[in-house]
Amino acid sequence: EAQVTQNPRYLITVTGKKLTVTCSQNMNHEYMSWYRQDPGLGLRQIYYSMNVEVTDKGDVPEGYKVSRKEKRNFPLILESPSPNQTSLYFCATAQGARTDTQYFGPGTRLTVL
Amino acid sequence: GQQLNQSPQSMFIQEGEDVSMNCTSSSIFNTWLWYKQDPGEGPVLLIALYKAGELTSNGRLTAQFGITRKDSFLNISASIPSDVGIYFCAGTDPNMIYNQGGKLIFGQGTELSVKP
Repeated sequence: EAQVTQNPRYLITVTGKKLTVTCSQNMNHEYMSWYRQDPGLGLRQIYYSMNVEVTDKGDVPEGYKVSRKEKRNFPLILESPSPNQTSLYFCATAQGARTDTQYFGPGTRLTVL
Repeated sequence: GQQLNQSPQSMFIQEGEDVSMNCTSSSIFNTWLWYKQDPGEGPVLLIALYKAGELTSNGRLTAQFGITRKDSFLNISASIPSDVGIYFCAGTDPNMIYNQGGKLIFGQGTELSVKP
């Protein structure tokens, strides 16, 4: 079954404590992306990756890092989380360069106290 | 950057009613997409539109790509309780050709509630 998996699904943490949200896909998709969803703002893109070792900033990259060392994984790293990063995070994948049809993971709800 | 304005922000309707929502932009887009997000889930693609003027249906859903390439609408006919959720419009960065490049810009969402 084609899947995009995110872990953890829920996380409560404190300001400044480094964390990583993992994203894994089994569809052999080249493209992967991270979004955050906030009430009234829709989904905003944080970072995306067109392929292994190729990453680029989205619209709201500040405070986040990513890496793409292998095709199936695209972790989102918050080196020093702050309360304004409390949000619902989604990982998405797409085949090749057809980023108009993206498949989303189930989401990770992060609360930073 | 580019922004999409989606309206209405929320709708409360009776089962069986038709629904219409739209999305506008100050700049042109090459692709218009409509996603639905069920409660507790990630968005799922409903309809993709690739040409100005294109009208596409998916069951009870119909969407159109505006002639000016700056707007799109989504209609749902004869709504049912499982239509509940948040509907997002999205567009690909118009500076990227052939929908490549990675950037997808989303509207704020329309939250739909259906009363049985």
